[in-house]
Amino acid sequence: DTGVSQDPRHKITKRGQNVTFRCDPISEHNRLYWYRQTLGQGPEFLTYFQNEAQLEKSRLLSDRFSAERPKGSFSTLEIQRTEQGDSAMYLCASGEGRSPLHFGNGTRLTVT
Amino acid sequence: QKEVEQDPGPLSVPEGAIVSLNCTYSNSAFQYFMWYRQYSRKGPELLMYTYSSGNKEDGRFTAQVDKSSKYISLFIRDSQPSDSATYLCAMSRDSSASKIIFGSGTRLSIRP
Repeated sequence: DTGVSQDPRHKITKRGQNVTFRCDPISEHNRLYWYRQTLGQGPEFLTYFQNEAQLEKSRLLSDRFSAERPKGSFSTLEIQRTEQGDSAMYLCASGEGRSPLHFGNGTRLTVT
Repeated sequence: QKEVEQDPGPLSVPEGAIVSLNCTYSNSAFQYFMWYRQYSRKGPELLMYTYSSGNKEDGRFTAQVDKSSKYISLFIRDSQPSDSATYLCAMSRDSSASKIIFGSGTRLSIRP
């Protein structure tokens, strides 16, 4: 068990550019979640996968956001035409069955 | 009104003190309750996971859930400087929930 891995740790981009983040969950975890966290706030739910199926998306996830989990293993989160308001920590978490979620250390996005 | 309310602190106590952290919630459907610890620039780390009302103890940590009052607590005994972090309460309706709702976190500082 090597934990949830996220890449990159930090991404700086200019407004209007596209960015993609990757999450590698704990092996054999069938549930995978993306959360967003801003300074001084708790994580906010973005989307959830059960294996490769995306089962729920938050209203926070605008059309500029898309997430995939093509083979039920790793997942990617893409943000198109980034805005300064997208600056946040993007957290990935995974779980198996009824076990609680385990989080990665996040990707910190800064949009200039 | 947020579904989960948590005093943001900061809370500062001397080493060795007993710390009490609390959250209130409004959704009576929540049945699973968690406490996560988050160090600066790291992802949340699971501390305690409980189901329904009652107490659960793990070392220096005790989690309490009072569903009738919609109130949960985390107690830390013999607090250490290494306990200095942000503590997040979290809850969900079922164990393999589509989403987990977090409080905004309480910043805790243990003075040596």
